[in-house]
Amino acid sequence: QSVLTQPPSVSAAPGQKVSISCSGSDSNIGYSHTSWFHQLPGTAPKLLIYENNKRPSGIPDRFSGSKSGMSATLDITGLQTGDEADYYCGTWDSSLRAYVFGSGTKVTVL
Amino acid sequence: QVQLQESGPGLVKASETLSLTCTVSGGSTSGYYWSWIRQPPGKGLEWVGYMYYSGSTNYSPSLKSRVTISVDTSREQFSLKLTSVTAADTAVYYCARGNLDGYSYYYTDVWGKGTTVTVSS
Repeated sequence: QSVLTQPPSVSAAPGQKVSISCSGSDSNIGYSHTSWFHQLPGTAPKLLIYENNKRPSGIPDRFSGSKSGMSATLDITGLQTGDEADYYCGTWDSSLRAYVFGSGTKVTVL
Repeated sequence: QVQLQESGPGLVKASETLSLTCTVSGGSTSGYYWSWIRQPPGKGLEWVGYMYYSGSTNYSPSLKSRVTISVDTSREQFSLKLTSVTAADTAVYYCARGNLDGYSYYYTDVWGKGTTVTVSS
């Protein structure tokens, strides 16, 4: 059972927007910064967002992150078929003294 | 551009030790937190731990008694050893580079492609 809770799945039509939530506690999301990763089928996870809302070089601005209290959110705008993947949040947990990942969310483009 | 590549046996017998190596190319091992993450078949990601290039370590509490991560800066490689494996350790193992953001919070920014390890009875 993951320390961070994500919805199992979200879906939307091409061009629309989806939001993925990541809910935690004051010892993880409330304490640290959140990263977001996506994992295309059969591939390794790739960093999309770090420090709650920063994008690594090469990540389009269709992907944006935010944090409020003990929850973080990943928004994907202008949804494309290539965005179909599993998405994970991750952050440091000060109580566990370990890095923790969310349960993962499958994004489906209708 | 830094790239990471995992290598090691794809099959390990139960009760034995799993050993994997990650080779760093296009960059240096200095200054980073060299990390391992695993993913059981059909499941989510599980952080295993890291070693800072200078030697300090941090391991998942659930694996701490069985895991060792080491870094060989001269060979630009780092390794994972997991002892007394069981079927529950069957997973894709990813090596990753850990970094600190502007507020000194850890995150992983570069990942290897992963290697599948199956524990057989």
